Amino acid sequence: SAVISQKPSRDICQRGTSLTIQCQVDSQVTMMFWYRQQPGQSLTLIATANQGSEATYESGFVIDKFPISRPNLTFSTLTVSNMSPEDSSIYLCSVEGAGNTIYFGEGSWLTVV
Amino acid sequence: GEDVEQSLFLSVREGDSSVINCTYTDSSSTYLYWYKQEPGAGLQLLTYIFSNMDMKQDQRLTVLLNKKDKHLSLRIADTQTGDSAIYFCAGGKEGRRALTFGSGTRLQVQP
Repeated sequence: SAVISQKPSRDICQRGTSLTIQCQVDSQVTMMFWYRQQPGQSLTLIATANQGSEATYESGFVIDKFPISRPNLTFSTLTVSNMSPEDSSIYLCSVEGAGNTIYFGEGSWLTVV
Repeated sequence: GEDVEQSLFLSVREGDSSVINCTYTDSSSTYLYWYKQEPGAGLQLLTYIFSNMDMKQDQRLTVLLNKKDKHLSLRIADTQTGDSAIYFCAGGKEGRRALTFGSGTRLQVQP
């Protein structure tokens, strides 16, 4: 199984600021995914991050609000820009492992005040 | 696009079997997953099944897939209090590794 580490695990942020979440995987992976889980809700895909190309965003998510970097095959960052209380969520990094398994990190729990 | 639906809540007694159900709309879904989320934690992959399978068993977990009805179930045998959590089913397909998630089923195990 893939081991995924996310930082920060939790943070309380002031509205109007930006926060960058890091995702580190213990093995090289082709595709990394970023999901959002709003309080009491299910998971929604934000974007797919491929190394060497621009991230692909899902409907309702834009690069200016959620810029993503993918500098190599084991690392990605997601920035939540100009935060508002509506951005309070868990942000999860996900990767595809061997045999079509999909693994998730522990999540980054953000509260915007 | 894919829609995945789950019942919101299930309560069972410790030692009983739990059956969590999921229906999906996209018949081209190739991979179907079950995840467990405990309070304050991320998602733990429990098991998965490919669309060319009808059943998969892994210790206390049994997954059944009815492709005709687009119905997936997760059976937990001998349910324990540590099984109390939210269970998500999710679907993906060949060429699209991103997953579509159901709303999650909260399993409550009563001692």
